[in-house]
Amino acid sequence: GDSVTQMEGPVTLSEEAFLTINCTYTATGYPSLFWYVQYPGEGLQLLLKATKADDKGSNKGFEATYRKETTSFHLEKGSVQVSDSAVYFCALSDGANSKLTFGKGITLSVRP
Amino acid sequence: DAGVIQSPRHEVTEMGQEVTLRCKPISGHNSLFWYRQTMMRGLELLIYFNNNVPIDDSGMPEDRFSAKMPNASFSTLKIQPSEPRDSAVYFCASSLQGWKTEAFFGQGTRLTVV
Repeated sequence: GDSVTQMEGPVTLSEEAFLTINCTYTATGYPSLFWYVQYPGEGLQLLLKATKADDKGSNKGFEATYRKETTSFHLEKGSVQVSDSAVYFCALSDGANSKLTFGKGITLSVRP
Repeated sequence: DAGVIQSPRHEVTEMGQEVTLRCKPISGHNSLFWYRQTMMRGLELLIYFNNNVPIDDSGMPEDRFSAKMPNASFSTLKIQPSEPRDSAVYFCASSLQGWKTEAFFGQGTRLTVV
């Protein structure tokens, strides 16, 4: 079945550091890929998405490229801020049902 | 649109009591999902509906859990009887059916069973 694997966390960075969060997936078809972010006490919000191979999703300085050859969708940001501290989830949707399969999530803490 | 609305935001109940969680999806969305989030197990899909019809309930932990969607604008998740291990944050999400569309999440209901 479909699965999403995220790197182990938590991750702690200093402000303005470069961020990479790894995500790989297994799917039988041609999934759409998503990154969601969850701030403390809130629900999940879509951060960015990519719906086909080589697509790059971007939002708020975050980027991720859909790599079919490596089945990956790594999240990057060139300069993190304290306000980026949150839990980040990688997810895929495979098929017409919109059902999302999530990774375990990773907690990012950015210190001033 | 106000987004996905869940109620209550917090629920504390005693073991053995019935608990009902409520969700109003975004108007026009035809897929609805119930998720449970815990520290130990992360985010788990419990059940989802397309056009008010349950499609996959394989994630429902056991018979104590049931979900309904009587119309396109309302869904409930019921736990009867509740147990302490049911303590978690329960999220409802909705989307337009289709694999390129994202799901929009509610704020969640934090359930504590004592």
